[in-house]
Amino acid sequence: GAGVSQSPSNKVTEKGKDVELRCDPISGHTALYWYRQSLGQGLEFLIYFQGNSAPDKSGLPSDRFSAERTGGSVSTLTIQRTQQEDSAVYLCASSSQHQPQHFGDGTRLSIL
Amino acid sequence: DQQVKQNSPSLSVQEGRISILNCDYTNSMFDYFLWYKKYPAEGPTFLISISSIKDKNEDGRFTVFLNKSAKHLSLHIVPSQPGDSAVYFCAAGGNKLVFGAGTILRVKS
Repeated sequence: GAGVSQSPSNKVTEKGKDVELRCDPISGHTALYWYRQSLGQGLEFLIYFQGNSAPDKSGLPSDRFSAERTGGSVSTLTIQRTQQEDSAVYLCASSSQHQPQHFGDGTRLSIL
Repeated sequence: DQQVKQNSPSLSVQEGRISILNCDYTNSMFDYFLWYKKYPAEGPTFLISISSIKDKNEDGRFTVFLNKSAKHLSLHIVPSQPGDSAVYFCAAGGNKLVFGAGTILRVKS
């Protein structure tokens, strides 16, 4: 498809389990971003990949969170030992250099 | 410490009238500002942007105004249409965007 694709669209898991969220950016976009939106809040920056540069991880809330981007395209956000406060919508965006970010529809994560 | 604030959680406007959405920021280093629109269960959609070298940018019914001295940004929608009903987020920064908490706009027909 032409847009940013995220999977799964919904994920329900038990506290303590690990989860992996996937993002397929728009083809050709060199930058990829992860955000999360908790209920009633704005989008919170998590991590940013630009080309082959080292990612900007300054927004990751704890060491349980990690992300990788393979081959400059697909990205996976991993949350280990999930906690209830991790429940949120996780949004991925991609962009070309100096262009607005385009978002996927997000993964709604619910931790029971 | 909220660097980008949207102080109005919601706004209700009659169809055909002007909608004005406001946003304030604290970081004078921000040089790029955007507005996104979000429908339920969808990701934010880019609407319009402005760089810090400008004070106005217009695209159809949407105009963004930037007042750098006041660190204030606004989005004007005129005329407002029922399909404009959504959550509007302002964002600021460069590569890393800082988002406001959003304003719910309801356009009544």
